[in-house]
Amino acid sequence: GQQLNQSPQSMFIQEGEDVSMNCTSSSIFNTWLWYKQDPGEGPVLLIALYKAGELTSNGRLTAQFGITRKDSFLNISASIPSDVGIYFCAGFNQGGKLIFGQGTELSVKP
Amino acid sequence: NAGVMQNPRHLVRRRGQEARLRCSPMKGHSHVYWYRQLPEEGLKFMVYLQKENIIDESGMPKERFSAEFPKEGPSILRIQQVVRGDSAAYFCASSPVPAGGIGNTDTQYFGPGTRLTVL
Repeated sequence: GQQLNQSPQSMFIQEGEDVSMNCTSSSIFNTWLWYKQDPGEGPVLLIALYKAGELTSNGRLTAQFGITRKDSFLNISASIPSDVGIYFCAGFNQGGKLIFGQGTELSVKP
Repeated sequence: NAGVMQNPRHLVRRRGQEARLRCSPMKGHSHVYWYRQLPEEGLKFMVYLQKENIIDESGMPKERFSAEFPKEGPSILRIQQVVRGDSAAYFCASSPVPAGGIGNTDTQYFGPGTRLTVL
């Protein structure tokens, strides 16, 4: 089936550093979403991208929908301890099904 | 405005018992989606339901699993004769209209999940 390849799998960074993670696929996706999941909780939507090439910001977060509709990246600037968690990319495929990446686990050292 | 609600948050069952997981969508949302998450993995789609209809169950195991979304009340994911491999977090999401599709700006909002442990 369709897969989203998310990288890196995990990141250990110092507070204040910028973070970048990305997602790629061999298939086209109509919409890209970035979620954050805290331990024991459900995913919370951070950013939604609807158009190829779209660049969207939400506070310290910036995400882009690749022009080919096969990739997306998420940047977090000036990381803080509460950024810790697992970040998932997800995309709606052409059948309307939401497909998730494997997640990027972010650890932030104060 | 309450979000998606799921209960119980934690459920422990012995092998062979039944597990019933409930999901109340956000107010005004008539589309419900169930996902399963194994440890250290992403969420995997199981089933998509509208009121009284199963729209897409392509991610549901063929046996022991069933889902419903009745006209009144929450959506239910039912697992019969549970086995250890069913241990996972089960998430429900809802949307006001079918989420996804070119130009569709609606998306899915997730509940806190039910963590099922099968002993």
